[in-house]
Amino acid sequence: RKEVEQDPGPFNVPEGATVAFNCTYSNSASQSFFWYRQDCRKEPKLLMSVYSSGNEDGRFTAQLNRASQYISLLIRDSKLSDSATYLCVVNEYHYGGSQGNLIFGKGTKLSVKP
Amino acid sequence: EAQVTQNPRYLITVTGKKLTVTCSQNMNHEYMSWYRQDPGLGLRQIYYSMNVEVTDKGDVPEGYKVSRKEKRNFPLILESPSPNQTSLYFCASSLTRLLKGSYNEQFFGPGTRLTVL
Repeated sequence: RKEVEQDPGPFNVPEGATVAFNCTYSNSASQSFFWYRQDCRKEPKLLMSVYSSGNEDGRFTAQLNRASQYISLLIRDSKLSDSATYLCVVNEYHYGGSQGNLIFGKGTKLSVKP
Repeated sequence: EAQVTQNPRYLITVTGKKLTVTCSQNMNHEYMSWYRQDPGLGLRQIYYSMNVEVTDKGDVPEGYKVSRKEKRNFPLILESPSPNQTSLYFCASSLTRLLKGSYNEQFFGPGTRLTVL
């Protein structure tokens, strides 16, 4: 079974801290990568896509290392409102196929304290 | 407002009583999917649909049925619910099927919390 693995946390950090989440995926045929955010008892929402060259959106930076099959998310200057569960998501393919499905990691819980 | 809606949001039922959870999207999306989310197991895909009249099994399809007669609707049917189907269910949609290299965002409904006694 192809897997997406994440540290479940929880990560408890003070406001203003920098926190990093890591994720590994087992299917080398995976093509697209994402971080979703899920607040308690709510639906997941896209935080950012992860591109090969890495990308940044304000305080959030995502990196992809295809050789190591590793994805990361860095949050700088954490806010109370960043408290949530962060899901690593991979668009998985089978070799020779064109249709993929999203595979979700189990999520890393972040709690930002005042 | 662009959205995915699910009904009911909460449901308590008994073993064996057929139920349907409705899902509707107003974004003209081709691809729709159902997930269940359980503590310690994360989100697991039940069924998905690439377009009208095209459905396929996900990772955990046993005990569930779906249909896609119209583009906007993708109901989830539990013919004979059992307690192990107690879970939080999410419907999701995206613009197109998940082609290689695509970065189509999946939009999720608000979730349906189902308890089967």
